[in-house]
Amino acid sequence: AQTVTQSQPEMSVQEAETVTLSCTYDTSESDYYLFWYKQPPSRQMILVIRQEAYKQQNATENRFSVNFQKAAKSFSLKISDSQLGDAAMYFCAYSPFGNEKLTFGTGTRLTIIP
Amino acid sequence: NAGVTQTPKFQVLKTGQSMTLQCAQDMNHEYMSWYRQDPGMGLRLIHYSVGAGITDQGEVPNGYNVSRSTTEDFPLRLLSAAPSQTSVYFCASSYRDTSYGYTFGSGTRLTVV
Repeated sequence: AQTVTQSQPEMSVQEAETVTLSCTYDTSESDYYLFWYKQPPSRQMILVIRQEAYKQQNATENRFSVNFQKAAKSFSLKISDSQLGDAAMYFCAYSPFGNEKLTFGTGTRLTIIP
Repeated sequence: NAGVTQTPKFQVLKTGQSMTLQCAQDMNHEYMSWYRQDPGMGLRLIHYSVGAGITDQGEVPNGYNVSRSTTEDFPLRLLSAAPSQTSVYFCASSYRDTSYGYTFGSGTRLTVV
């Protein structure tokens, strides 16, 4: 069974600084997708960034980027120039190619210090 | 487009009561799923559907029932509510190509007393 591990229950960062959230996963599949979701206090789940395993290039979306290490099964999220609005729970998620199921990690609560 | 609409947003039930959480999407997504979110456990899959008339169990299906008679709707039924079902429930939908991730509803906070 696939598992997703987020080993940092809580993180904090000074406003305007950079922070990296960790995620590792376990799978025997070769083709799959990885996602980071943001859950602010409003409870809404918002897709931040996604990565296709067959692509070696790391995904980037504005201030958000990932470090995807397929051999190490690692998928970390880097947030640059942190803003107060980035404060939220962040979930890493995995989905095998051609499979409708998402498997989530337990989440990392990110606090932004003004 | 409304996206994924869940109702109600909040609900309190007594142990043993039954209820249905509603979920509707207007994006013509084939895939729909129900998750529950509990502190320290992330989101866990309850049931999912790959199209009208097709449903299957996820990781934590006990105590829940689903059906999918149309592409748009995917209700979740609690047959006899228990305190262990106190949670936040999310409905999500996706195109058959899940590479773009799921779109989530705003969630239902359910308390069973």
